[in-house]
Amino acid sequence: LAKTTQPISMDSYEGQEVNITCSHNNIATNDYITWYQQFPSQGPRFIIQGYKTKVTNEVASLFIPADRKSSTLSLPRVSLSDTAVYYCLVGPMFSGGYNKLIFGAGTRLAVHP
Amino acid sequence: DAEITQSPRHKITETGRQVTLACHQTWNHNNMFWYRQDLGHGLRLIHYSYGVQDTNKGEVSDGYSVSRSNTEDLPLTLESAASSQTSVYFCASSNGQSEAFFGQGTRLTVV
Repeated sequence: LAKTTQPISMDSYEGQEVNITCSHNNIATNDYITWYQQFPSQGPRFIIQGYKTKVTNEVASLFIPADRKSSTLSLPRVSLSDTAVYYCLVGPMFSGGYNKLIFGAGTRLAVHP
Repeated sequence: DAEITQSPRHKITETGRQVTLACHQTWNHNNMFWYRQDLGHGLRLIHYSYGVQDTNKGEVSDGYSVSRSNTEDLPLTLESAASSQTSVYFCASSNGQSEAFFGQGTRLTVV
C-alpha cells in the first residue's frame, strides 16, 4: 500500500478556502485517492474520491496532478463545523476488491471565527 | 436504510476478563474492519475480513481476535483485557469499490 504524508495540523478562519495536500510518491497504477473526515467522538465519514485530474462534489474538490504523486483536498469557504481531522488514503478500488484501509495520523484542521 | 451498528457504545471491564465487541452491517459488504483509536491519534487497523470465514491480522492484532461466520457480523474479542487496550474501537465495512462506512464507535475502559 502506498504511504501517505499529510501536515499534522492546519488553522484557518471562517469563509476561507482550505487546501490540504497529501503526498503519495509510490502510488500504484490501480490506486485511488480517498479522503475521510472525522469529528470528535464519531467514526470517519467519506468525503471524496478520485483517480486523476479533478473531482468535485457538494462538499469538496480533489485535485490530482498528472503524475498522481500528490493530491489536494480543497474545502471552499470553511465554517466552524469543518473543524475535524482529515485523512488521505490510497489504495485499489474495484467491486469486490480487497482494499485494506490504512489510516495515517491525518490533518487536524481548526477553523476559527 | 442500510447501516452499520456497534454495541455496546460504552463498556467498562476489569483486567483479565474476556470482552466481545459487536459489529453488524446491513450493507451486504464483504469487507469489514476493526480499528482502535487512542486519544489524539489516528485509527490503527486491528483485524479485517474480506468475506465469510476469512480473517486477517492488521497493524495491532496482538491480544485481539475476530471471527466471520456470516456476512453481516464481525465480532471483536479481547481475550484477556489489559489497561493498554483502553481505547475507542471503530468497525467499518466496504464493498471494495468506493466509500467505507463506519460505526459510531465503542468506548472501552479496562480498569
